[in-house]
Amino acid sequence: QVQLVESGGGLVKPGGSLRLSCVVSGFTFSDYYMSWIRQAPGKGLEWVSSISSSGTYIWYADSVKGRFTISRDNANNSLYLRMNSLRAGDTALYYCARGKSYAPGSYNYWGQGTLVTVSS
Amino acid sequence: EIVLTQSPGTLSLSPGERATLSCRASQSISSSYLAWYQQKFGQAPRLLIYDASSRATGIPDRFSGSGSGTDFTLTVSRLEPEDFAVYYCQMYGTSPYTFGQGTKLEI
Repeated sequence: QVQLVESGGGLVKPGGSLRLSCVVSGFTFSDYYMSWIRQAPGKGLEWVSSISSSGTYIWYADSVKGRFTISRDNANNSLYLRMNSLRAGDTALYYCARGKSYAPGSYNYWGQGTLVTVSS
Repeated sequence: EIVLTQSPGTLSLSPGERATLSCRASQSISSSYLAWYQQKFGQAPRLLIYDASSRATGIPDRFSGSGSGTDFTLTVSRLEPEDFAVYYCQMYGTSPYTFGQGTKLEI
């Protein structure tokens, strides 16, 4: 069955960096767009970034542009999010999600999330 | 940037009743690229509806989506106890792929 498993979250000081990973199984990873979505504690969902199936096309929310970098390794069924210059407002549960084969699309598969806490 | 506004913020209903949730976009959404998700406490969101009106795999037919342009609706025809949750709309036609702020459906 389809599985997405995030890792890499943790406690980091403001200005610090983290790299999140999402390892997938149960489908042909290289066929699908992938995305990161986050949810601050007690808040709603916020789209963060998306990447095309080949990695050619990338999109970011304005709130993370210039600080976060999305990437993927199709050989290893892995999606990444490099987060630099972290701020308290980046504290959230970060989900990876599968889009469509031809577009970032709606997300019919999600991981369980990895928690990022930015605090001194 | 397209802003999605969901209403009401909270909807209080009883099992067996009909629920109507609204999602209004600040600009027309291309090709009806709008989705609806359900999220229960402590769980990842679950896709209910994509492309405004197509039910995702395994979603009961009491859930239906409609609308186009700037006005979209999620209807739950007869509420079951497990339907009480938070519902989000999301557009994915053009970046940024924003979510609405959510509607809490409570008993």
